[in-house]
Amino acid sequence: AQTVTQSQPEMSVQEAETVTLSCTYDTSENNYYLFWYKQPPSRQMILVIRQEAYKQQNATENRFSVNFQKAAKSFSLKISDSQLGDTAMYFCAFITPSSTGANSKLTFGKGITLSVRP
Amino acid sequence: ETGVTQSPTHLIKTRGQQVTLRCSSQSGHNTVSWYQQALGQGPQFIFQYYREEENGRGNFPPRFSGLQFPNYSSELNVNALELDDSALYLCASSRPTSGKTYEQYFGPGTRLTVT
Repeated sequence: AQTVTQSQPEMSVQEAETVTLSCTYDTSENNYYLFWYKQPPSRQMILVIRQEAYKQQNATENRFSVNFQKAAKSFSLKISDSQLGDTAMYFCAFITPSSTGANSKLTFGKGITLSVRP
Repeated sequence: ETGVTQSPTHLIKTRGQQVTLRCSSQSGHNTVSWYQQALGQGPQFIFQYYREEENGRGNFPPRFSGLQFPNYSSELNVNALELDDSALYLCASSRPTSGKTYEQYFGPGTRLTVT
């Protein structure tokens, strides 16, 4: 079975500081993609960053970066210079492509609620 | 480029009734996936439609069914509603052959409340 575990239900960070959100996953596949999604109170699920499992280099998108440890099956998200607009639920997810390319589902963790304090 | 849209935004139904939720995929996307998100939980995969056929299903009973139309829009139908069906229903579109590493783009969701 493929699972994603986010063990921290809530976190809080001061504006302008750095915070790291943890995620571990379990899969027997070797080819997969990892994602962090953000879901603000408006409910819209927004893709924050993605990581291809075959790439050793950690992905970076502006203030967001990941620490991908494939052997440990760990995929944490670091948010630098936290902003009030970063307040949201954050979900870790992964997908394993099928041979047809289309039969791919996202498996999500339970999410973590991040609050940025002014 | 038009994003993923869903309708209605929210609705209230009575146990035993039937409901249809609608989703318009992002321009150029031929695959639609539906997810159920209970309060405080991560989304759970219901099923996926690719080229108008169901192409993968999660652990949901047959009373959850769907359709995809030639323009790639999709419907989610739920029969014999139960209280536990109360959730946010998310639609996501994608185009797996685009080389975009299987990114799925989500709509704003439909909040269903069953009383």
